[in-house]
Amino acid sequence: AQSVTQLDSHVSVSEGTPVLLRCNYSSSYSPSLFWYVQHPNKGLQLLLKYTSAATLVKGINGFEAEFKKSETSFHLTKPSAHMSDAAEYFCVVSDLFSGGYNKLIFGAGTRLAVHP
Amino acid sequence: SQTIHQWPATLVQPVGSPLSLECTVEGTSNPNLYWYRQAAGRGLQLLFYSVGIGQISSEVPQNLSASRPQDRQFILSSKKLLLSDSGFYLCAWSVGGGGTQYFGPGTRLLVL
Repeated sequence: AQSVTQLDSHVSVSEGTPVLLRCNYSSSYSPSLFWYVQHPNKGLQLLLKYTSAATLVKGINGFEAEFKKSETSFHLTKPSAHMSDAAEYFCVVSDLFSGGYNKLIFGAGTRLAVHP
Repeated sequence: SQTIHQWPATLVQPVGSPLSLECTVEGTSNPNLYWYRQAAGRGLQLLFYSVGIGQISSEVPQNLSASRPQDRQFILSSKKLLLSDSGFYLCAWSVGGGGTQYFGPGTRLLVL
């Protein structure tokens, strides 16, 4: 079975400094991986997705993630944090399911705080 | 482009009252549709998914039900709400079962 572990429940950075949100996954095959962002009282917005093409995936708002099979990791990074990046971030793996869809397995989330 | 709507945005209901939350998708046909619940401080739990009109699958037993009366309409219901039904309810859609899921703005439900 697939699983996702987000290694930090809270991350705090200063505006203009790099962001690193860590994610490890467990999968018995080559998975599809996603990062979603959720601002307070809002729905989830897709940041980026990996689907076995390039291992370095670029997303919206300057975020990118690197798929490392040897480390089973899919960490999210951004070179310079902005105040508007403060939100909760979810790492997600897609599980193959025979019932007609790919089930999403969500990590517990990482809350990113950005300080002036 | 595709858009997904949910309403109401916020709802406060007494215990034992009925519930109806609606989700509609525009700009696509025959989407897969999903209902998730996000309890306070916790991750997302898949409640129901649908691959077509009238086809509903439940992931976990609970006090809720879902219906899909039209291709792009997905409804979450309850006959009698429980305190434990409080949470943030998110609807999502995908193109086919293997497609990326896109989420709506959510409905915050508080049961008192």
